[in-house]
Amino acid sequence: EPEVTQTPSHQVTQMGQEVILRCVPISNHLYFYWYRQILGQKVEFLVSFYNNEISEKSEIFDDQFSVERPDGSNFTLKIRSTKLEDSAMYFCASSERPRYASTFRTDTQYFGPGTRLTVL
Amino acid sequence: DQQVKQNSPSLSVQEGRISILNCDYTNSMFDYFLWYKKYPAEGPTFLISISSIKDKNEDGRFTVFLNKSAKHLSLHIVPSQPGDSAVYFCAADTTMGNQFYFGTGTSLTVIP
Repeated sequence: EPEVTQTPSHQVTQMGQEVILRCVPISNHLYFYWYRQILGQKVEFLVSFYNNEISEKSEIFDDQFSVERPDGSNFTLKIRSTKLEDSAMYFCASSERPRYASTFRTDTQYFGPGTRLTVL
Repeated sequence: DQQVKQNSPSLSVQEGRISILNCDYTNSMFDYFLWYKKYPAEGPTFLISISSIKDKNEDGRFTVFLNKSAKHLSLHIVPSQPGDSAVYFCAADTTMGNQFYFGTGTSLTVIP
Protein backbone atom coordinates (compact mmCIF):
# COMPACT_ATOMS: atom_id res chain seq x y z
CA GLU A 1 0.00 0.00 0.00
CA PRO A 2 1.39 3.45 -0.87
CA GLU A 3 2.55 5.49 2.08
CA VAL A 4 3.93 8.88 2.97
CA THR A 5 7.56 8.80 4.05
CA GLN A 6 9.52 11.36 6.04
CA THR A 7 13.19 11.92 6.69
CA PRO A 8 14.94 12.15 9.02
CA SER A 9 13.05 10.37 11.76
CA HIS A 10 14.83 12.48 14.37
CA GLN A 11 16.58 15.81 13.93
CA VAL A 12 18.55 17.52 16.67
CA THR A 13 19.63 21.11 16.08
CA GLN A 14 20.92 24.12 17.93
CA MET A 15 18.68 27.12 18.47
CA GLY A 16 19.01 29.59 15.62
CA GLN A 17 19.98 26.96 13.07
CA GLU A 18 18.05 26.20 9.92
CA VAL A 19 16.43 22.81 9.46
CA ILE A 20 14.77 21.19 6.50
CA LEU A 21 12.31 18.38 7.03
CA ARG A 22 11.62 16.19 4.07
CA CYS A 23 8.55 14.31 2.97
CA VAL A 24 7.69 12.11 0.02
CA PRO A 25 3.91 12.16 -0.44
CA ILE A 26 1.92 9.39 -2.07
CA SER A 27 2.66 9.59 -5.77
CA ASN A 28 -0.78 10.40 -7.21
CA HIS A 29 -1.65 12.88 -4.48
CA LEU A 30 -1.84 16.57 -5.29
CA TYR A 31 -2.41 18.17 -1.91
CA PHE A 32 0.24 18.30 0.77
CA TYR A 33 0.20 19.32 4.40
CA TRP A 34 2.39 19.84 7.39
CA TYR A 35 1.18 19.38 10.95
CA ARG A 36 3.03 19.39 14.21
CA GLN A 37 2.45 17.92 17.62
CA ILE A 38 4.21 19.32 20.63
CA LEU A 39 4.71 16.62 23.23
CA GLY A 40 1.50 16.03 25.16
CA GLN A 41 -0.53 18.43 23.04
CA LYS A 42 -2.89 18.17 20.09
CA VAL A 43 -1.90 17.81 16.46
CA GLU A 44 -1.84 21.31 14.96
CA PHE A 45 -2.20 22.31 11.33
CA LEU A 46 0.66 24.33 9.86
CA VAL A 47 0.14 24.64 6.12
CA SER A 48 -1.47 23.12 3.04
CA PHE A 49 0.07 23.24 -0.42
CA TYR A 50 -1.31 22.71 -3.90
CA ASN A 51 -0.12 23.51 -7.39
CA ASN A 52 3.15 24.90 -6.08
CA GLU A 53 1.62 27.39 -3.75
CA ILE A 54 0.30 27.62 -0.23
CA SER A 55 -3.46 27.06 0.01
CA GLU A 56 -3.92 27.69 3.70
CA LYS A 57 -1.67 28.37 6.64
CA SER A 58 -2.16 28.73 10.35
CA GLU A 59 -0.94 31.42 12.71
CA ILE A 60 1.90 29.13 13.68
CA PHE A 61 3.26 29.23 10.13
CA ASP A 62 5.07 32.58 10.34
CA ASP A 63 7.93 34.01 8.30
CA GLN A 64 10.34 31.54 9.84
CA PHE A 65 8.61 28.70 8.02
CA SER A 66 8.55 27.93 4.34
CA VAL A 67 7.50 24.99 2.19
CA GLU A 68 8.67 23.86 -1.16
CA ARG A 69 8.17 21.11 -3.68
CA PRO A 70 11.64 21.14 -5.20
CA ASP A 71 10.98 18.26 -7.57
CA GLY A 72 8.23 15.85 -8.53
CA SER A 73 8.44 13.78 -5.40
CA ASN A 74 9.67 15.73 -2.37
CA PHE A 75 7.82 18.20 -0.21
CA THR A 76 9.90 20.09 2.32
CA LEU A 77 9.35 22.22 5.40
CA LYS A 78 12.10 24.68 6.25
CA ILE A 79 12.49 26.46 9.55
CA ARG A 80 14.97 29.27 9.05
CA SER A 81 16.02 30.02 12.61
CA THR A 82 14.81 27.41 15.03
CA LYS A 83 13.56 28.26 18.48
CA LEU A 84 13.25 26.05 21.52
CA GLU A 85 9.47 26.04 21.13
CA ASP A 86 9.79 24.54 17.65
CA SER A 87 10.65 21.23 19.30
CA ALA A 88 7.84 18.90 18.25
CA MET A 89 6.90 15.97 16.07
CA TYR A 90 6.28 17.21 12.55
CA PHE A 91 3.91 15.22 10.38
CA CYS A 92 3.59 15.47 6.64
CA ALA A 93 0.31 14.41 5.02
CA SER A 94 -1.04 14.17 1.51
CA SER A 95 -4.42 13.74 -0.12
CA GLU A 96 -5.58 13.04 -3.62
CA ARG A 97 -7.97 15.97 -3.71
CA PRO A 98 -9.34 18.56 -1.32
CA ARG A 99 -12.44 17.39 0.42
CA TYR A 100 -14.89 19.75 -1.20
CA ALA A 101 -13.99 18.58 -4.68
CA SER A 102 -14.43 14.89 -4.22
CA THR A 103 -16.07 12.01 -2.54
CA PHE A 104 -14.93 11.55 0.98
CA ARG A 105 -12.78 8.53 0.36
CA THR A 106 -10.39 10.24 -2.01
CA ASP A 107 -9.75 13.27 0.15
CA THR A 108 -8.56 11.47 3.23
CA GLN A 109 -5.25 12.83 4.40
CA TYR A 110 -2.61 10.17 4.79
CA PHE A 111 0.08 10.91 7.30
CA GLY A 112 3.75 10.08 7.36
CA PRO A 113 5.47 8.64 10.44
CA GLY A 114 6.74 12.04 11.53
CA THR A 115 10.08 13.73 12.19
CA ARG A 116 10.92 14.45 15.79
CA LEU A 117 12.65 17.83 15.92
CA THR A 118 14.61 18.66 19.04
CA VAL A 119 15.96 22.19 19.37
CA LEU A 120 18.65 22.63 22.00
CA ASP B 1 -8.57 27.95 20.87
CA GLN B 2 -9.64 24.36 21.39
CA GLN B 3 -12.33 23.83 18.78
CA VAL B 4 -12.20 20.04 19.08
CA LYS B 5 -12.06 18.51 22.53
CA GLN B 6 -11.44 15.03 23.78
CA ASN B 7 -11.97 15.25 27.50
CA SER B 8 -10.80 11.76 28.37
CA PRO B 9 -7.04 11.48 28.03
CA SER B 10 -7.15 7.74 28.61
CA LEU B 11 -9.51 4.76 28.59
CA SER B 12 -9.05 1.12 29.57
CA VAL B 13 -11.36 -1.62 28.33
CA GLN B 14 -11.38 -5.39 28.61
CA GLU B 15 -10.87 -7.36 25.43
CA GLY B 16 -14.18 -8.22 23.79
CA ARG B 17 -16.05 -5.34 25.39
CA ILE B 18 -17.12 -2.10 23.77
CA SER B 19 -14.80 0.92 23.67
CA ILE B 20 -16.49 4.31 23.44
CA LEU B 21 -14.35 7.33 22.69
CA ASN B 22 -15.93 10.75 22.84
CA CYS B 23 -15.29 14.04 21.12
CA ASP B 24 -16.93 17.46 21.40
CA TYR B 25 -16.60 20.43 19.10
CA THR B 26 -17.51 24.07 19.32
CA ASN B 27 -17.48 25.30 15.72
CA SER B 28 -20.94 24.87 14.16
CA MET B 29 -19.37 25.24 10.70
CA PHE B 30 -17.67 21.86 11.03
CA ASP B 31 -19.39 19.41 8.73
CA TYR B 32 -16.91 16.59 8.31
CA PHE B 33 -15.44 14.53 11.08
CA LEU B 34 -12.79 11.86 11.20
CA TRP B 35 -11.12 9.53 13.62
CA TYR B 36 -7.45 8.77 13.36
CA LYS B 37 -5.55 6.11 15.25
CA LYS B 38 -1.92 6.61 16.21
CA TYR B 39 0.59 4.08 17.41
CA PRO B 40 3.83 5.22 19.07
CA ALA B 41 6.51 6.34 16.60
CA GLU B 42 4.01 6.33 13.72
CA GLY B 43 1.88 8.99 12.05
CA PRO B 44 -1.90 9.17 12.52
CA THR B 45 -3.75 6.57 10.44
CA PHE B 46 -7.21 7.28 9.07
CA LEU B 47 -9.86 5.10 10.67
CA ILE B 48 -13.34 6.31 9.80
CA SER B 49 -15.16 9.51 8.86
CA ILE B 50 -18.65 10.92 8.89
CA SER B 51 -20.35 13.78 7.09
CA SER B 52 -22.75 16.06 8.91
CA ILE B 53 -25.58 14.83 6.70
CA LYS B 54 -25.39 11.51 8.49
CA ASP B 55 -25.68 10.56 12.13
CA LYS B 56 -23.98 7.20 11.89
CA ASN B 57 -21.30 5.53 9.83
CA GLU B 58 -20.17 1.97 10.29
CA ASP B 59 -17.10 0.14 9.07
CA GLY B 60 -16.60 -3.32 10.48
CA ARG B 61 -15.97 -3.10 14.21
CA PHE B 62 -15.90 0.70 14.11
CA THR B 63 -18.96 2.93 14.24
CA VAL B 64 -18.98 6.69 14.49
CA PHE B 65 -22.06 8.50 15.79
CA LEU B 66 -22.68 12.19 15.26
CA ASN B 67 -25.05 14.31 17.33
CA LYS B 68 -25.05 17.70 15.66
CA SER B 69 -27.37 19.37 18.14
CA ALA B 70 -25.03 18.43 20.97
CA LYS B 71 -21.91 19.01 18.85
CA HIS B 72 -20.73 15.61 19.91
CA LEU B 73 -19.40 12.56 18.19
CA SER B 74 -18.30 9.21 19.44
CA LEU B 75 -16.38 6.23 18.16
CA HIS B 76 -17.54 2.76 19.16
CA ILE B 77 -15.25 -0.22 18.80
CA VAL B 78 -16.97 -3.58 19.19
CA PRO B 79 -15.50 -5.95 20.11
CA SER B 80 -12.32 -4.33 21.36
CA GLN B 81 -9.07 -6.12 20.64
CA PRO B 82 -5.61 -5.67 22.17
CA GLY B 83 -4.35 -4.42 18.79
CA ASP B 84 -6.75 -1.50 19.12
CA SER B 85 -4.57 -0.10 21.89
CA ALA B 86 -3.42 3.27 20.53
CA VAL B 87 -4.10 6.98 20.77
CA TYR B 88 -7.29 7.99 18.99
CA PHE B 89 -7.65 11.50 17.59
CA CYS B 90 -10.90 13.10 16.62
CA ALA B 91 -10.60 15.65 13.79
CA ALA B 92 -13.02 18.08 12.15
CA ASP B 93 -13.19 20.21 9.05
CA THR B 94 -15.42 22.76 7.31
CA THR B 95 -16.85 22.51 3.79
CA MET B 96 -14.33 24.74 2.09
CA GLY B 97 -11.48 24.06 4.44
CA ASN B 98 -8.46 21.98 3.69
CA GLN B 99 -7.08 21.53 7.16
CA PHE B 100 -8.16 19.31 9.97
CA TYR B 101 -8.62 20.48 13.53
CA PHE B 102 -7.52 17.76 15.89
CA GLY B 103 -8.46 16.96 19.44
CA THR B 104 -5.82 16.16 22.03
CA GLY B 105 -6.34 12.43 21.72
CA THR B 106 -7.52 9.60 23.94
CA SER B 107 -5.16 6.78 24.76
CA LEU B 108 -7.06 3.49 24.60
CA THR B 109 -5.71 0.40 26.32
CA VAL B 110 -7.46 -2.88 25.62
CA ILE B 111 -6.64 -5.38 28.33
CA PRO B 112 -6.37 -9.02 27.22
